[in-house]
Amino acid sequence: TQLLEQSPQFLSIQEGENLTVYCNSSSVFSSLQWYRQEPGEGPVLLVTVVTGGEVKKLKRLTFQFGDARKDSSLHITAAQPGDTGLYLCAGDQGAQKLVFGQGTRLTINP
Amino acid sequence: DSGVTQTPKHLITATGQRVTLRCSPRSGDLSVYWYQQSLDQGLQFLIQYYNGEERAKGNILERFSAQQFPDLHSELNLSSLELGDSALYFCASSVGWTALSYGYTFGSGTRLTVV
Repeated sequence: TQLLEQSPQFLSIQEGENLTVYCNSSSVFSSLQWYRQEPGEGPVLLVTVVTGGEVKKLKRLTFQFGDARKDSSLHITAAQPGDTGLYLCAGDQGAQKLVFGQGTRLTINP
Repeated sequence: DSGVTQTPKHLITATGQRVTLRCSPRSGDLSVYWYQQSLDQGLQFLIQYYNGEERAKGNILERFSAQQFPDLHSELNLSSLELGDSALYFCASSVGWTALSYGYTFGSGTRLTVV
């Protein structure tokens, strides 16, 4: 059983469409991070959210941390082929390690 | 280049053998974390070192061990290898000893194939 459940596991959409991926848990996290991983590379940090209800924007990407700090979402507007990759959420419970979700594998078709 | 260097990039070895994976953290980072990534398990935390001392342990097998040296580079030793140990092994580093705010910087990983 994964501490962090990501959905959907796979998503394939056309360029220009909008999408949302989710990261859910029954546990409370002191912070939550989103990473993107491309084939043959390690995950790269996109954003960290700390406060319940917090919203952060990174160009066309909008990240939200749930009010109870148990869940998060990533919304991409007008997706582009360069957005293709594995999106991972990771939670910090203050136990000196990050716990990762299984990831959402996103494919944007031209 | 993330600043975290992992060697080798690929490793193919036989069952029962022992291998050593090496990681040099980003300059200035004191914490090193090791993760195993497989298709069915995702990224699983193995172990963390901070400034030479073990700080946290995850689901690391007894056949696996790690250490961090005075120059802060780290090595992950995998022994009595089994087919199921085939995976990507990532090293990550961070400034402090928690992940809060700063996040991790990951290396490109070592792909281990046990045959």
